[in-house]
Amino acid sequence: NAGVTQTPKFQVLKTGQSMTLQCAQDMNHNSMYWYRQDPGMGLRLIYYSASEGTTDKGEVPNGYNVSRLNKREFSLRLESAAPSQTSVYFCASSEVPDTGELFFGEGSRLTVL
Amino acid sequence: GDSVTQMEGPVTLSEEAFLTINCTYTATGYPSLFWYVQYPGEGLQLLLKATKADDKGSNKGFEATYRKETTSFHLEKGSVQVSDSAVYFCALSDFRGAQKLVFGQGTRLTINP
Repeated sequence: NAGVTQTPKFQVLKTGQSMTLQCAQDMNHNSMYWYRQDPGMGLRLIYYSASEGTTDKGEVPNGYNVSRLNKREFSLRLESAAPSQTSVYFCASSEVPDTGELFFGEGSRLTVL
Repeated sequence: GDSVTQMEGPVTLSEEAFLTINCTYTATGYPSLFWYVQYPGEGLQLLLKATKADDKGSNKGFEATYRKETTSFHLEKGSVQVSDSAVYFCALSDFRGAQKLVFGQGTRLTINP
């Protein structure tokens, strides 16, 4: 089973460039999330989508936009990348009602020079 | 706001040693508590959870007890194996509207043979 699939796995950008991280899940989950992981800071929520057609800001939304394209797909866009956005990005999904279990993708490592 | 604090790593143990990774939390309500594990090159996966005070979560020889009086959820294992080498994250969830987890900073565990 594929679970949660993220693309690309690695990306290097120059400051000011834009890019979109793609995420797709095949578990028919209603909720999807984007987290960033930085050394010593754990995971921080960027945006989430409780259900198809809705999106909400998390803890660190500045500099990002999201699109819940359909129930399966949730993309994260950096319009003008900055070095502070160098991080590992994780997409996750979960079922509703909440069970506490998020299913994570393998991560996308982004470096902004 | 809600927060999770874990013991700082890295932690290095010999095979068959006893493991404790401390986790304390701050929350306004009565959150559910989780331990997630991240193996090298992979996304996070749920290890165990507890949804109310005095509950004990357990999985793969790991266990943790939800202690409301000390706001703690320490992870323990009686005899660790090399395959337990990973990063461990403590997390809490308030279940408000969507499954939004608040993570600790993570503890890297290395088990030597």
